Amino acid sequence: DTGVSQNPRHKITKRGQNVTFRCDPISEHNRLYWYRQTLGQGPEFLTYFQNEAQLEKSRLLSDRFSAERPKGSFSTLEIQRTEQGDSAMYLCASSDQGFSGANVLTFGAGSRLTVL
Amino acid sequence: AQSVAQPEDQVNVAEGNPLTVKCTYSVSGNPYLFWYVQYPNRGLQFLLKYITGDNLVKGSYGFEAEFNKSQTSFHLKKPSALVSDSALYFCAVRDSGFQKLVFGTGTRLLVSP
Repeated sequence: DTGVSQNPRHKITKRGQNVTFRCDPISEHNRLYWYRQTLGQGPEFLTYFQNEAQLEKSRLLSDRFSAERPKGSFSTLEIQRTEQGDSAMYLCASSDQGFSGANVLTFGAGSRLTVL
Repeated sequence: AQSVAQPEDQVNVAEGNPLTVKCTYSVSGNPYLFWYVQYPNRGLQFLLKYITGDNLVKGSYGFEAEFNKSQTSFHLKKPSALVSDSALYFCAVRDSGFQKLVFGTGTRLLVSP
């Protein structure tokens, strides 16, 4: 197992275009998380899946953002009609079931989005 | 809602000296506390966590952290810093019963030779 994998690592797009990021979690992990990190800030929670169910969504996740995890394995995060303010590092993490609250998140290296 | 404060943007320490990176938190229930480290062009790496029990928790690479409930703090410490410890350190808190992990803004640790 190579850990949490994210693709693409870098994406440069023009304002108004749609982009999609993919996350492949650690295979035995049933929980998957998306975070966004901008320069000089800590990661901000976007959403969380347990298996294929999306259980929590942040107010940061506007209507232009959608995340899916259709078979409870990999996940995609799509941003429609990108804006310059969407430029950030998008981080994916996964964890096992664990004792609720005590589970440790394992992060991928992230997908950096630049919107021109 | 839970929150984390890391009051120092940067901490400078000489190699071989002890280091402390500060963190205070706010939650409504029992806190689950974590420290992560981020190296350039790499993902966040877990260092240690406090769930319950002994207030002093030991983690990876010789790091430890002390939980202080009365001061709502969870400071990261290491007895003897290494140049290779230079990185960005994040404190995070999770309220019991929830999955959302809230991170602080990070503290850059710079260890000079």
